[in-house]
Amino acid sequence: EVQLVESGGGVVQPGGSLRLSCEASGFNFNMYWMAWVRQSPEKGLEWVASIKQDASERWYVESVKGRFTISRDNAKNSLSLQMHSLTAEDTGVYYCARDPYPPPSHCDFWGQGTLVTVSS
Amino acid sequence: DIQLTQSPSFLSASVGDRVTISCRAGQDIGTYLAWYQQKPGKAPKLLIFGASALQSGVPSRFSGSGSGTEFTLTITYVQPEDFATYYCQQVNSYPPTFGPGTKVDI
Repeated sequence: EVQLVESGGGVVQPGGSLRLSCEASGFNFNMYWMAWVRQSPEKGLEWVASIKQDASERWYVESVKGRFTISRDNAKNSLSLQMHSLTAEDTGVYYCARDPYPPPSHCDFWGQGTLVTVSS
Repeated sequence: DIQLTQSPSFLSASVGDRVTISCRAGQDIGTYLAWYQQKPGKAPKLLIFGASALQSGVPSRFSGSGSGTEFTLTITYVQPEDFATYYCQQVNSYPPTFGPGTKVDI
């Protein structure tokens, strides 16, 4: 059974940093692109970033370029999202998801999400 | 970015009804469209990809159709567990974008 479990969310002040993690199991992690997708009441669902199997390609939505870094550790079946210079616009539930095809791709499995709140 | 609109935003249905949700893309996206179901407090669940391909494990009462800019998700014989919010997503070009959602309620 495919499982994706996110962690690392929390409350952070504007301008702060946060690192999200996702532990994957139940599939060959190193064979798939992986992604982060976020959701907020204001902006709805928004794709954030994707990373290739060997991390040789990384794609970002324009609004997070230069602030967020997606990475992975295939030995540990883990995906990460390092976030810097956070603003209120980054508030939302962040989902780790699997991309079954090269990007742009739909996501066939999602984690349960981790909540990030940017507030003073 | 390619904009997606969905209609209606909200619809009320009864168990056993046939439900149709529309998704319109701002430009031709071929058949690069997916549909998701989301229940409160849960992650989205993939239902349809490639506009009409049913994801493994999804009941056959769900079907998708369309190409270009006009797409439809149909639920025949709506069941109690189908009451949720449905989103379309285009994966024709970066960045992949989602529609605003359609809430299906009793």
